[in-house]
This record gives sequence, structure tokens and C-alpha cells, in this order.
Amino acid sequence: KQEVTQIPAALSVPEGENLVLNCSFTDSAIYNLQWFRQDPGKGLTSLLLIQSSQREQTSGRLNASLDKSSGRSTLYIAASQPGDSATYLCAAPKAAGNKLTFGGGTRVLVKP
Amino acid sequence: EAGVAQSPRYKIIEKRQSVAFWCNPISGHATLYWYQQILGQGPKLLIQFQNNGVVDDSQLPKDRFSAERLKGVDSTLKIQPAKLEDSAVYLCASSLYGANTEAFFGQGTRLTVV
Repeated sequence: KQEVTQIPAALSVPEGENLVLNCSFTDSAIYNLQWFRQDPGKGLTSLLLIQSSQREQTSGRLNASLDKSSGRSTLYIAASQPGDSATYLCAAPKAAGNKLTFGGGTRVLVKP
Repeated sequence: EAGVAQSPRYKIIEKRQSVAFWCNPISGHATLYWYQQILGQGPKLLIQFQNNGVVDDSQLPKDRFSAERLKGVDSTLKIQPAKLEDSAVYLCASSLYGANTEAFFGQGTRLTVV
């Protein structure tokens, strides 16, 4: 059974600071690692998908790394803005079972 | 490209009543997921369909929850009878083929059981 953990559960930073969000998973035999953003009262929006053969993926100010051997992924958000305030969730589907299992999320507040 | 559509957006019912949620996935997506998200927690998978077959329903409380995906397209999730602890957001998602492809989520249905 895949277990996904996100630490910290909440994070508050001043505007302009870089954000570092952590995701760990117990079973390294994954298809990929997916990062999502969730705004209050809304569904999830896909941010980045890192295939199991990749080490990192970049989109604008977002960069996600993947270290399968240690069971970790990190999402970096450069030069944070108040609009980045949201909950960030990761999911690490196992290659066997094909199930999309989520962590508990990290709630981010970027203060102006 | 249209996204994942869910209805209703909000629902308030009394305990022991029944409720149904509807989901229309992105056209051509073979995999459909239903998740339950309790306030402050990550989404918990209730059931996963591949076309019209069930891939995983291990966390679905089958004594009160049921789901179907007729013709491998739209899906409905039903709760009967509802309990107070069923209050949550119910999210539907779809992906092209399984968890190795990107998942897209609907806006969710917020259920309040009073």
C-alpha cells in the first residue's frame, strides 16, 4: 500500500521568498509523481507531472524534483507571490495497482 | 477542451436521506475517479473505473455508497442513507488511461449532512 506524506502541513512566508514543499512516499515503484494546487472551495489543478524516469520538471517559476530511491519529491516555487497562496498536494501512483494516492497537502500563505 | 463537469455544486440533506452526484469526464478519458475530501485533509479515493469496469473500490463504504459508470462515460455516485460524517467535498477526476497519465479534476460537490 502506498502512503504519501507532506510536511509541513502549513507554511507562511513573506512575498518574494522562495517556497520549498516536500512530499515523501513509501513505495518507490511509481509511475510518476504529480503535483496539484487547490484553491479554497475549488477542485484540484494539475501543476507538474514527473515521469518515473525523470529527475525534475519545470514550468515557469515552478520546479519539481524526484528522487525515487529516497522516496521524495520537492516542489520549489521561486519568488513567491500572494497569488501562490493555496494548498499544494502531491500524488504518487504505484506502477502496480494504478491508484492515484494523495498526501494530506501543504497549506501555503504568502503574505504581501 | 471541456473539463470535468460535476453537479450539483452544493447539496444539503438531512441524515438518513439519500443523495446522488453526477460526473461527466473529459471526452475520450478511459479512467474516472471519485474522491472524498474532508475539510483539511487530502482526497481519499473511493472508487476508480477503467471504462465501465471497477479497478479499485477498496475504500468505498459499500453498505451505503454505490457508483456506476454506464457505457464507460458519465458516472454517478450515490449515498443511501447519509450519515453526518459523510459531510465532505466529493471530487470527480478523469485521465486518459490510468494513473500513469495526468489527472484532471472537476470543481467538486460540497455535501453537508445535518
